Amino acid sequence: DGGITQSPKYLFRKEGQNVTLSCEQNLNHDAMYWYRQDPGQGLRLIYYSQIVNDFQKGDIAEGYSVSREKKESFPLTVTSAQKNPTAFYLCASCATANTEAFFGQGTRLTVV
Amino acid sequence: QKEVEQNSGPLSVPEGAIASLNCTYSDRVSQSFFWYRQYSGKSPELIMSIYSNGDKEDGRFTAQLNKASQYVSLLIRDSQPSDSATYLCAVTNAGKSTFGDGTTLTVKP
Repeated sequence: DGGITQSPKYLFRKEGQNVTLSCEQNLNHDAMYWYRQDPGQGLRLIYYSQIVNDFQKGDIAEGYSVSREKKESFPLTVTSAQKNPTAFYLCASCATANTEAFFGQGTRLTVV
Repeated sequence: QKEVEQNSGPLSVPEGAIASLNCTYSDRVSQSFFWYRQYSGKSPELIMSIYSNGDKEDGRFTAQLNKASQYVSLLIRDSQPSDSATYLCAVTNAGKSTFGDGTTLTVKP
């Protein structure tokens, strides 16, 4: 089955820790995206990548980092510099820029 | 002013009625427009995409785009309780998508 897979579904982070969220797609899509969603709000763009080994900052990139070493994979690291990381994180992919997005199941991150 | 604004909710309609969801955007060169449905605690799923001015119909759903007015809407005919969800408008330019805050729709039996 083709799709986009995020793991883990739930993640707990201690203060001062870095954590990495996984996102893998087997749709052969060029573009991949990371969004953050807070309760009652829309999606805010963290980082996006339209090609392997290249990525751009979105609207709220501070405290986050990404890599795109393979077309299929776009992991997101939430660093200790992100002061309020508790949120629902969504990864998405698009066949090409400006086409519809396919979303993973999301990762719910909580700081404990 | 937000880049993408949706009509504030929540919106409540009786079963069988038409639900109307509206979205305005600020970037005149936006190229692609999408409506996603998101159930509580789940990830968004595509309902409609529209790329040129006019109407696009798919079953009970109709998307309308007016680039001159920078306006995109979604009509849901014969609303069903299963349509109860949050609807997100997304506007894309140069590969970057911007989402509205969503409108929560409740369809009452």
